[in-house]
Amino acid sequence: EAGVTQSPTHLIKTRGQQVTLRCSPISGHTSVYWYQQALGLGLQFLLWYDEGEERNRGNFPPRFSGRQFPNYSSELNVNALELEDSALYLCASNRGPTGGNQPQHFGDGTRLSIL
Amino acid sequence: SQQGEEDPQALSIQEGENATMNCSYKTSINNLQWYRQNSGRGLVHLILIRSNEREKHSGRLRVTLDTSKKSSSLLITASRAADTASYFCATEKAGANSKLTFGKGITLSVRP
Repeated sequence: EAGVTQSPTHLIKTRGQQVTLRCSPISGHTSVYWYQQALGLGLQFLLWYDEGEERNRGNFPPRFSGRQFPNYSSELNVNALELEDSALYLCASNRGPTGGNQPQHFGDGTRLSIL
Repeated sequence: SQQGEEDPQALSIQEGENATMNCSYKTSINNLQWYRQNSGRGLVHLILIRSNEREKHSGRLRVTLDTSKKSSSLLITASRAADTASYFCATEKAGANSKLTFGKGITLSVRP
């Protein structure tokens, strides 16, 4: 089966710009999770979507937002980019809260660099 | 904030040796998971251990969980150069909020 796919793989932006990152989950998975992996800060949970709804949100400002589409793919939007937003953005998917204890399956991420 | 803290932060061993990595966490959990990340890539799920389990095996991997001490260990036996990567423990807190909280990771180098 195809894994989690993310696009683009790399992105360079300047401060103040806006960016949209995309994620396609594994077929049959309804939950999509977004994480930020910034240098020195480790993996930080950003957002969780399931069945089109935002279920949980990490400790990030409102300029980080997203949505999940009826086909379960997801977008992460970041407005008013700041230098500290430079990071690897990882998307993961699984069968959601009704699936019991289960792992999350990760894509290879989008490397975002802010100049 | 980080839930899990791995120990050591870095580990360098010879091929064929065993590697032991430890993780501690702070709150009640549903499960604890170990992931591997090769440089600049996504995370690969290695093993999930539920809160009511004490030990789990998968190939050359052995994971233990001690909920009374809020700690876990990952043992990789007969290591290979291809095991060189960063390893993360992640916890899913009790309650169905499904998000994972990661430690900062352990960098494992296996010398050929």
